[in-house]
Amino acid sequence: QQPVQSPQAVILREGEDAVINCSSSKALYSVHWYRQKHGEAPVFLMILLKGGEQKGHDKISASFNEKKQQSSLYLTASQLSYSGTYFCGTEKSGNTDKLIFGTGTRLQVFP
Amino acid sequence: NAGVMQNPRHLVRRRGQEARLRCSPMKGHSHVYWYRQLPEEGLKFMVYLQKENIIDESGMPKERFSAEFPKEGPSILRIQQVVRGDSAAYFCASSRPTDPEAFFGQGTRLTVV
Repeated sequence: QQPVQSPQAVILREGEDAVINCSSSKALYSVHWYRQKHGEAPVFLMILLKGGEQKGHDKISASFNEKKQQSSLYLTASQLSYSGTYFCGTEKSGNTDKLIFGTGTRLQVFP
Repeated sequence: NAGVMQNPRHLVRRRGQEARLRCSPMKGHSHVYWYRQLPEEGLKFMVYLQKENIIDESGMPKERFSAEFPKEGPSILRIQQVVRGDSAAYFCASSRPTDPEAFFGQGTRLTVV
């Protein structure tokens, strides 16, 4: 079952914040976040393994609520380089299982 | 340490021909995953392989598609008798056995004419 991401698209001006949500109908072991620029490979951002644990680097962070089977990606003070499509990938078990990717959220940051 | 290498980057095939896509995982990575991406769409899981074993092929079409990851050499995704609907970007990702972090290759863009 494919995770559902919201919103589908976001338009920001540089310096604004955004939140991208990822919701699954099944119990999850982990959530992975990737960013893909047009015509390029998805690039790994971060992985969240435990319920409620928040992770982040620079101005991008994420949380994972295991009980609600939801994860959120927080982008603060957005930069032009943040533009791209963000995908969450969910993993059901901990044995390096396959990732099932969400529907994607297209983010555009303008000057 | 080179990243995940896929070749060719672009592949054009006529309907009915065979397409062979190659993926060399990162050094130390023994798990390989293949995904298909249609334009403006998400990544659809196809198959998960470890060396000489297919672990999960639940996303593979039942006919014309096959994948292997031999003891030596790259993983191969083979599409026989291609049709226009096979046109897509095919991405390969790899990971270590004990590390869930997966890294993607640059993809192979298959165009069927």
